[in-house]
Amino acid sequence: GAVVSQHPSRVICKSGTSVKIECRSLDFQATTMFWYRQFPKQSLMLMATSNEGSKATYEQGVEKDKFLINHASLTLSTLTVTSAHPEDSSFYICSAMGLAGGNFKETQYFGPGTRLLVL
Amino acid sequence: AQKVTQAQTEISVVEKEDVTLDCVYETRDTTYYLFWYKQPPSGELVFLIRRNSFDEQNEISGRYSWNFQKSTSSFNFTITASQVVDSAVYFCALKNTGFQKLVFGTGTRLLVSP
Repeated sequence: GAVVSQHPSRVICKSGTSVKIECRSLDFQATTMFWYRQFPKQSLMLMATSNEGSKATYEQGVEKDKFLINHASLTLSTLTVTSAHPEDSSFYICSAMGLAGGNFKETQYFGPGTRLLVL
Repeated sequence: AQKVTQAQTEISVVEKEDVTLDCVYETRDTTYYLFWYKQPPSGELVFLIRRNSFDEQNEISGRYSWNFQKSTSSFNFTITASQVVDSAVYFCALKNTGFQKLVFGTGTRLLVSP
């Protein structure tokens, strides 16, 4: 149980293009999904918290117009990096937390991550 | 304020050695959860354990064991008879009840050589 998928696993794009990353909870419903960014040999940096059906809450310093987050259903959240630039190159990881009262509550289950390279 | 400290940046052991990863946390809340995650070179964070602040029982799962001591605000993780496949970065994390966010430590990189 508690499987989270992320797609694509790796993407290379040209500067100025937009990239969409999908995060799905495969075997449980997730009211809350999280998006993180991780630089090499560093800990995870939370970018935003996304609750199903409502606007995402962004951490300080994260540009909401650049990193668009949509959480349209209890099993899917997407992160779109708009007008990507080389400095956006990073490892992006999503996580999902189950419904309150459910078996997967209080615990974030992580996807396999997406490596983004912007040329 | 909430904080998780993993003082060991990197640990190197030889296969079959036991190794303990330290985790010290700070929180003003009386109810919280503590977690350990493993991040192998592939990058995915693998959930290992969740511990409720009310449950100080130590836990053993195969070669893994966890020692939770509220008196010292520590939640240490021991791998017995380490294997090369245990090589990874291990993160300790804290979540206060009622809050959604996880507070991560900086991680401990474990290298197990054959």
